Amino acid sequence: AQTVTQSQPEMSVQEAETVTLSCTYDTSENNYYLFWYKQPPSRQMILVIRQEAYKQQNATENRFSVNFQKAAKSFSLKISDSQLGDTAMYFCAFMGTNAGKSTFGDGTTLTVKP
Amino acid sequence: DSGVTQTPKHLITATGQRVTLRCSPRSGDLSVYWYQQSLDQGLQFLIQYYNGEERAKGNILERFSAQQFPDLHSELNLSSLELGDSALYFCASSPRFTGELFFGEGSRLTVL
Repeated sequence: AQTVTQSQPEMSVQEAETVTLSCTYDTSENNYYLFWYKQPPSRQMILVIRQEAYKQQNATENRFSVNFQKAAKSFSLKISDSQLGDTAMYFCAFMGTNAGKSTFGDGTTLTVKP
Repeated sequence: DSGVTQTPKHLITATGQRVTLRCSPRSGDLSVYWYQQSLDQGLQFLIQYYNGEERAKGNILERFSAQQFPDLHSELNLSSLELGDSALYFCASSPRFTGELFFGEGSRLTVL
């Protein structure tokens, strides 16, 4: 069974600064997908970024980028130039390439301070 | 707007009752997933359907059941409700082979 661990329950960052959220996972699969989802106070789940395990290049989406270390089973999210609207809970998620059962971490609550 | 529609948005009911939550996936998506999120907790995977067939099962209670219909909409049935079933229930759909999940806005169930 896959597990996803987010070791930082809460983090805070000053507006315009950079913050990194950690995620580690455990799996015996070789091919899989990893995701970061954002859940703002509205509770809507929003995809932030996606990484395919067979791709060595780290995914980037504007101010969001990941550091994917497959051997270490680590998948951290870096948010650059943090904005107040980035305040949310962030979930790391794993899905096998059969796209079946998915596993979410417990989340990291990020607060961006003005 | 993710394109995934969930109804009802809010539901208040009593212990012992039965409710049905409905989900319409994005146009073209064959996979539907159901998740439960209790207060301030992570998402627990319940069940996945692909084109009408059950594909994967998580920690879904025996009191809960789901199905996906020929038009691809899905329903999650929760019966003999208990106080602990109060939660936000999400439905998500996925394009084939990408694994990416598009979430609905959730159905908030309150059991009194």
